[in-house]
Amino acid sequence: GESVGLHLPTLSVQEGDNSIINCAYSNSASDYFIWYKQESGKGPQFIIDIRSNMDKRQGQRVTVLLNKTVKHLSLQIAATQPGDSAVYFCAAPPGGSYIPTFGRGTSLIVHP
Amino acid sequence: KAGVTQTPRYLIKTRGQQVTLSCSPISGHRSVSWYQQTPGQGLQFLFEYFSETQRNKGNFPGRFSGRQFSNSRSEMNVSTLELGDSALYLCASSDRDRASGELFFGEGSRLTVL
Repeated sequence: GESVGLHLPTLSVQEGDNSIINCAYSNSASDYFIWYKQESGKGPQFIIDIRSNMDKRQGQRVTVLLNKTVKHLSLQIAATQPGDSAVYFCAAPPGGSYIPTFGRGTSLIVHP
Repeated sequence: KAGVTQTPRYLIKTRGQQVTLSCSPISGHRSVSWYQQTPGQGLQFLFEYFSETQRNKGNFPGRFSGRQFSNSRSEMNVSTLELGDSALYLCASSDRDRASGELFFGEGSRLTVL
């Protein structure tokens, strides 16, 4: 079946370091990928998205990279701050649907 | 602009009872989706409503149902509660005509079934 998964359940980094969160997807027909951030006690919040016709998209301190050959995307956070501590989800609608399937999430822990 | 509002935030029920959760989307948003979040299964899609019509449904038993009103507010109901229904139930709204792209989530309703 369809699946979207993150490689590591937990990632610990030092404040100021760059963070990289990875995600793999199984459906090559997915044409749209989204990253969400969920802070403790809150609902997920949209961070950035990328369409399948792009390899890279940059936002404020965040960059998403898409490698369609190996069905992999990553979220890079520059100069990670304590406020970045949260669970990060990648999501992608399977081919033929527009409802995103969410990965399990990676918990990012930023140490001051 | 007010965000997505979910009520109640926390509730405790016992097995066999039923529960109704409410969601008020962002003003102007007509698409409302519901998700169940558990530590073991992550975020699982329940259903999506648009203009009072259910357009998509996830793989959940018929005990889970929902509806949307003319003002786009939505409710979901779970009947004959089971222990495994304990979860955070999240509502998300979208300003597009389909629930893709940027979803705006509420803070969720945390249901505990004893």
